[in-house]
Amino acid sequence: GAVVSQHPSWVICKSGTSVKIECRSLDFQATTMFWYRQFPKQSLMLMATSNEGSKATYEQGVEKDKFLINHASLTLSTLTVTSAHPEDSSFYICSARGGLAGGPGEQYFGPGTRLTVT
Amino acid sequence: DAKTTQPTSMDCAEGRAANLPCNHSTISGNEYVYWYRQIHSQGPQYIIHGLKNNETNEMASLIITEDRKSSTLILPHATLRDTAVYYCIVRVASGNTGKLIFGQGTTLQVKP
Repeated sequence: GAVVSQHPSWVICKSGTSVKIECRSLDFQATTMFWYRQFPKQSLMLMATSNEGSKATYEQGVEKDKFLINHASLTLSTLTVTSAHPEDSSFYICSARGGLAGGPGEQYFGPGTRLTVT
Repeated sequence: DAKTTQPTSMDCAEGRAANLPCNHSTISGNEYVYWYRQIHSQGPQYIIHGLKNNETNEMASLIITEDRKSSTLILPHATLRDTAVYYCIVRVASGNTGKLIFGQGTTLQVKP
């Protein structure tokens, strides 16, 4: 299957600072990328959807000014957590889809980034 | 997108087939059934998907009932490494629209 990478795999930051997480599709062009968040013992929660060159669409309840998403190319999307607080500590997972228009388009996930805010 | 219902947890003996059920009684005609799994502290892994015909790949088989209101994921010879949370998701697949919305999934424990 296709490969999606994330960097960093884990990060610890101080409260009030910003953190950027990168998501790359390594062997395919991702027309659509997704960002999920997962708290311990819970399922994945979709945060936002982004298409290359367009503004991201955020799910209800997700603050777009706090979670900045940039999908500048067909292989790279970034999520910036601005002014991070301890409650933002979570497992952040990106996903990429590069299916043909009209097809089901399999979606592949990155390995996740563990964010801890102290 | 339609909702799915899965058992919270299941056990399976190593080497035996694991049959994971999923109900999706409100599925629409243009929605596919997807299965993913997540091993602890990793990103979800794609397993298989289908529309109405049964599907098989190197990982698993997907059996979809004729009325498409339920499906079963079959891991033919479960190993300890198949211990994971398995998610059944239905998604509209028109172009690149449609989002994968995860429910609680089934925690499969494969035991020696």
